[in-house]
Amino acid sequence: DAGVTQSPTHLIKTRGQHVTLRCSPISGHKSVSWYQQVLGQGPQFIFQYYEKEERGRGNFPDRFSARQFPNYSSELNVNALLLGDSALYLCASSLSPSNEQFFGPGTRLTVL
Amino acid sequence: TQLLEQSPQFLSIQEGENLTVYCNSSSVFSSLQWYRQEPGEGPVLLVTVVTGGEVKKLKRLTFQFGDARKDSSLHITAAQPGDTGLYLCAGRDNYGQNFVFGPGTRLSVLP
Repeated sequence: DAGVTQSPTHLIKTRGQHVTLRCSPISGHKSVSWYQQVLGQGPQFIFQYYEKEERGRGNFPDRFSARQFPNYSSELNVNALLLGDSALYLCASSLSPSNEQFFGPGTRLTVL
Repeated sequence: TQLLEQSPQFLSIQEGENLTVYCNSSSVFSSLQWYRQEPGEGPVLLVTVVTGGEVKKLKRLTFQFGDARKDSSLHITAAQPGDTGLYLCAGRDNYGQNFVFGPGTRLSVLP
């Protein structure tokens, strides 16, 4: 069975640009969460979506937004990129918001 | 904001040694999870502990949840080079919504 998939695997952008990251959950999972992991730190919670509705939001600026589609896949959008947005962006899926999460391999974003 | 602290931050040991890493908080968590993450990959779930005082074993790994559900420990017996990685603890708050990660313990097991 396929696990959580994320695309692209790597991305290089310049300051001020915007980026869209994509995530496909495990089949049957209806909840998707996004995390930012800066080098040397643990993942920081950004968003959680369940049944296409936002169920949780971390302490991130409005430049970060996300959505979930009818097939439960999800996109994370970041506008007006800053150097500090450089990080590994992780997507995790679960059956529901309170169930165990399974992580994808992440998208490595570098902002120059 | 519920915070998780992990210690030690870094640990380098020889193959065959035993070790314990810790995850602590001043807050109560409904559950705690332990993950192992290798460079360039996402975290992989090792175990979930839910009940205060619970002990779970996974081969050479022993996980314990504190009685008050504020802390947890991971003990590895006879460490092997394959155990090398970043060990993360994560807790779900009592509302079951937000998921908080600790900063991790980076373990290096030398052959």
